[in-house]
Amino acid sequence: QSALTQPRSVSGSPGQSVAISCTGTSSDVGGYNYVSWYQQHPDTAPKLIISDVTKRPSGVPDRFSGSKSGNTASLTISGLQAEDEADYYCCSYAGNNYVFGTGTKVTVL
Amino acid sequence: EVQLVESGGGLVQPGGSLRLSCAASGFTFSGYWMSWVRQAPGKGLEWLANIKRDGGEIYYVDSVKGRFTISRDNAKNSLYLQMNSLRAEDTAVYYCARYTDYALAYWGQGTLVTVSS
Repeated sequence: QSALTQPRSVSGSPGQSVAISCTGTSSDVGGYNYVSWYQQHPDTAPKLIISDVTKRPSGVPDRFSGSKSGNTASLTISGLQAEDEADYYCCSYAGNNYVFGTGTKVTVL
Repeated sequence: EVQLVESGGGLVQPGGSLRLSCAASGFTFSGYWMSWVRQAPGKGLEWLANIKRDGGEIYYVDSVKGRFTISRDNAKNSLYLQMNSLRAEDTAVYYCARYTDYALAYWGQGTLVTVSS
């Protein structure tokens, strides 16, 4: 049950695209199409932005997209906006339990 | 509107116990798996446990097995986390969350637990 690996930080200018990777194993990310992504602003609860690798819940802007290849999932933010500056966490089902990623801080330059 | 409101956090001495509660409203509580997730100060999210709709299946992360117990009372629309043998490293904000399929779609605001002498 080791945490999934994410880059500590990524940054981009407004309007640019950034991608966040989430690397696990065949027992979690690679074994199931149940990767979700969460956005967390300071001192607030996490918010679901992607489920089942690619699905966007109602109300989440379409500039957020998810994908997966093998044991690595990715979150892409296209057309970066100031309000996207936050921490982002991936999470994968791992057979009866779940594991979060280490978290990535996105900075809008 | 889905609402999850945690309570029961506070300061507790090492080795002590605490019971967290999560009051749910705005949805049919008995129809969903529920979970507890925590976040130590300045750290990332850690999944702790989940419980099936009827309480018939329960799973824990290894670090809390044998010390923490998740439970629910569907008649009271409430989720609980009994925490025993608390350690300094259990200091965190504890969130309850509701699943939609395999994702945590709704979260409470969290309750802070501080383990210190």
